[in-house]
Amino acid sequence: GAGVSQSPSNKVTEKGKDVELRCDPISGHTALYWYRQSLGQGLEFLIYFQGNSAPDKSGLPSDRFSAERTGGSVSTLTIQRTQQEDSAVYLCASSWRGGSGANVLTFGAGSRLTVL
Amino acid sequence: GENVEQHPSTLSVQEGDSAVIKCTYSDSASNYFPWYKQELGKRPQLIIDIRSNVGEKKDQRIAVTLNKTAKHFSLHITETQPEDSAVYFCAASGANNLFFGTGTRLTVIP
Repeated sequence: GAGVSQSPSNKVTEKGKDVELRCDPISGHTALYWYRQSLGQGLEFLIYFQGNSAPDKSGLPSDRFSAERTGGSVSTLTIQRTQQEDSAVYLCASSWRGGSGANVLTFGAGSRLTVL
Repeated sequence: GENVEQHPSTLSVQEGDSAVIKCTYSDSASNYFPWYKQELGKRPQLIIDIRSNVGEKKDQRIAVTLNKTAKHFSLHITETQPEDSAVYFCAASGANNLFFGTGTRLTVIP
């Protein structure tokens, strides 16, 4: 696609429910990142995928969070047993690897999660 | 992982004045330093970046300087305009991953 697509754009859920957030990166981008942005705050790193390498999960805040990337393209971020503190905008970004374009991130519009 | 610190957290300047935002990083292996601008309600977008083999890069009213020895880099915006008002994030990257600073909210007062 022309850009990074994320869905849903908005999700309201009840505390304790599971949610799935989807990211469709730019075609050909081998690197995919998930960040979390709470209201008025910075970009908190969650997880990073690069090609077929093992993902860097060092930013996941708890074992309720997990992510996968199927076929080196679409990624799903899953939050189990959601808590109110999980409320935030979840941003996905993708980039080329290598060359002068390495690490230039293109962000999606984000998924705004509200946990009641 | 990398630790990126950014100052100030908020910055107000008069239109036409300059604005400077500073960042430090911890990992000496980091070699790529981008700056992103995030307008209210929008996604972050790259405005300028610099790699470790240069000390300064300029693009119109925006410039970035890098001091690898001291592990700090700065964003300079000259002749600020109201449309420069936004949150600015610095970031540092080693082999692949990218870590962001906490952001600076810049307000340009007309």
